[in-house]
Amino acid sequence: GDSVTQMEGPVTLSEEAFLTINCTYTATGYPSLFWYVQYPGEGLQLLLKATKADDKGSNKGFEATYRKETTSFHLEKGSVQVSDSAVYFCASETGGTSYGKLTFGQGTILTVHP
Amino acid sequence: EAGVTQSPTHLIKTRGQQATLRCSPISGHTSVYWYQQALGLGLQFLLWYDEGEERNRGNFPPRFSGRQFPNYSSELNVNALELEDSALYLCASSLPGFYEQYFGPGTRLTVT
Repeated sequence: GDSVTQMEGPVTLSEEAFLTINCTYTATGYPSLFWYVQYPGEGLQLLLKATKADDKGSNKGFEATYRKETTSFHLEKGSVQVSDSAVYFCASETGGTSYGKLTFGQGTILTVHP
Repeated sequence: EAGVTQSPTHLIKTRGQQATLRCSPISGHTSVYWYQQALGLGLQFLLWYDEGEERNRGNFPPRFSGRQFPNYSSELNVNALELEDSALYLCASSLPGFYEQYFGPGTRLTVT
């Protein structure tokens, strides 16, 4: 079945550091890929998405590129801020019998210190 | 534009009771999805409703059920509550035919 694997957390960084959170997927077919962010006490917010190979999603300084050859969708940001502290989830949607179903990774806790 | 809303924010029930959770989608969205976020288990897909019909279901027992109303709002019902049903239940909505799901703040269900 479909699955999404994220790098183990938690991740702790200083402000202005470079961020990478790794995400790989397994799926039958070619899924759409998403990054969601969950701030403390809140629901999930869609951060960015990519629907086909080589697409780059970007939002609020975050970027991720859909790499079909490595089945990856790593999240990056050049300079993190304290306000980026949250839990980040990678997700896929494959269609077919999984149509409408988002498959999530386990989440990565990011803490940014001043 | 108002986002996805869920009620109640918190719900405390006793084992064996029934719980009803409610969700109102973003205006214009016809699909509603339910997910369970249990501690240590991550986010698990529960149900998808579109145009009043159940379109897909995750690996949950039949005591998890729901419905979608003509105004596209939705209810999730959990019967015969068990302690392991304690979780944050998230509702999401989307436009017809779109992959992007927008989430509400969730209902925290505690079963004692």
